[in-house]
Amino acid sequence: GQSLEQPSEVTAVEGAIVQINCTYQTSGFYGLSWYQQHDGGAPTFLSYNALDGLEETGRFSSFLSRSDSYGYLLLQELQMKDSASYFCAVRDIRTGANNLFFGTGTRLTVIP
Amino acid sequence: NAGVTQTPKFQVLKTGQSMTLQCAQDMNHNSMYWYRQDPGMGLRLIYYSASEGTTDKGEVPNGYNVSRLNKREFSLRLESAAPSQTSVYFCASTPARGPETQYFGPGTRLLVL
Repeated sequence: GQSLEQPSEVTAVEGAIVQINCTYQTSGFYGLSWYQQHDGGAPTFLSYNALDGLEETGRFSSFLSRSDSYGYLLLQELQMKDSASYFCAVRDIRTGANNLFFGTGTRLTVIP
Repeated sequence: NAGVTQTPKFQVLKTGQSMTLQCAQDMNHNSMYWYRQDPGMGLRLIYYSASEGTTDKGEVPNGYNVSRLNKREFSLRLESAAPSQTSVYFCASTPARGPETQYFGPGTRLLVL
């Protein structure tokens, strides 16, 4: 089978750090992608990890552990504009691995 | 450079009516995708096209048809709309290197009564 598990909601304080976890199960793993989606908007690509370790892009970092089938998105110095839904995704082996299978998303609320 | 564009932005249909959702990209991407997103759920793939002239079913293809008209355009057709097809529809495209980095259009909000 194929599955992605991520928390449905996370709340954090402005200026703090928050970690959004994603656990995956798939018969063919290529890497883990992260997307951000604001309410009423379109998903936008944030990061992709194919290898173990931490990838940093400004205030956002993404981590992957292939041995644990686990990854996370780390958001630092949280801003109000970071309130959004965050989706992890893996290649969808069920339909030929030329497309992505998305998790159900984590809704992040940043409070003052 | 407009990226990925979709028309229309909003549409209300009656059960049984048909319509076509249009999508175009100007980034010279090979692969294009159609997703639907329902409240509280992730994106579910309807159909995709790995290159001009080819289309393949995704996770939820029933009730839909697609056409990859050329490299730029990928349309989604609902032949006989049903209330279960009320959703937000997103088109996306990606360069040839892989599906991980997708660029999404603004979406079409469809209500079927």
